[in-house]
Amino acid sequence: QSALTQPRSVSGSPGQSVTISCTGTSSDVGGYNYVSWYQQHPGKAPKLMIYDVSKRPSGVPDRFSGSKSGNTASLTISGLQAEDEADYYCCSYAGSYTLVFGTGTKVTVL
Amino acid sequence: QVQLQESGPGLVKPSETLSLTCAVSGYSISSGYYWGWIRQPPGKGLEWIGSIYHSGSTYYNPSLKSRVTISVDTSKNQFSLKLSSVTAADTAVYYCARDNGSGEGRYWGQGTLVTVSS
Repeated sequence: QSALTQPRSVSGSPGQSVTISCTGTSSDVGGYNYVSWYQQHPGKAPKLMIYDVSKRPSGVPDRFSGSKSGNTASLTISGLQAEDEADYYCCSYAGSYTLVFGTGTKVTVL
Repeated sequence: QVQLQESGPGLVKPSETLSLTCAVSGYSISSGYYWGWIRQPPGKGLEWIGSIYHSGSTYYNPSLKSRVTISVDTSKNQFSLKLSSVTAADTAVYYCARDNGSGEGRYWGQGTLVTVSS
């Protein structure tokens, strides 16, 4: 069970869109429609932003969207805002009720 | 509102056993869901440790399985983590969370830092 691969960092100007990729294998990302995304601000607990690949919990802005193709899932933040600057982690179901997290991506708002 | 709160020693000696408890309020553990532990070494990413179903079934990260035990005490509405034979590499912020079994973790504790040092 290896960590899912994410880019170390992405950046964008306010109002722009950024996309974070999350690459796994057919044993995790590619095998199930159970990919979630978490936002983590410094010193805080992670916050669920997307679950089941593309569903948003209530209260999460619709600027956040998720998708998946094959073994790679993606999180897109449209209309980037200053408060979106944070670390983002993907998480995938990996079978037998186990989970695996991604390596994490730092989003910087320029 | 569902709330989780981790508690336990902030300092553990190498080779000893790390023990943490997560107290749950606002929801009865015995009613359902998976209750899990996740850790984050300083400056690093999240690592799933394992979880326990409300019925008591446990599921562990294969890389930690030999050292991890997660248990539940429904009478106290809390669940616990034990990690044996710790080393400095186990130094991390440890989070507890409620999950639906597929990564949908809507509720997390605030985390507790555990340092492994003599």
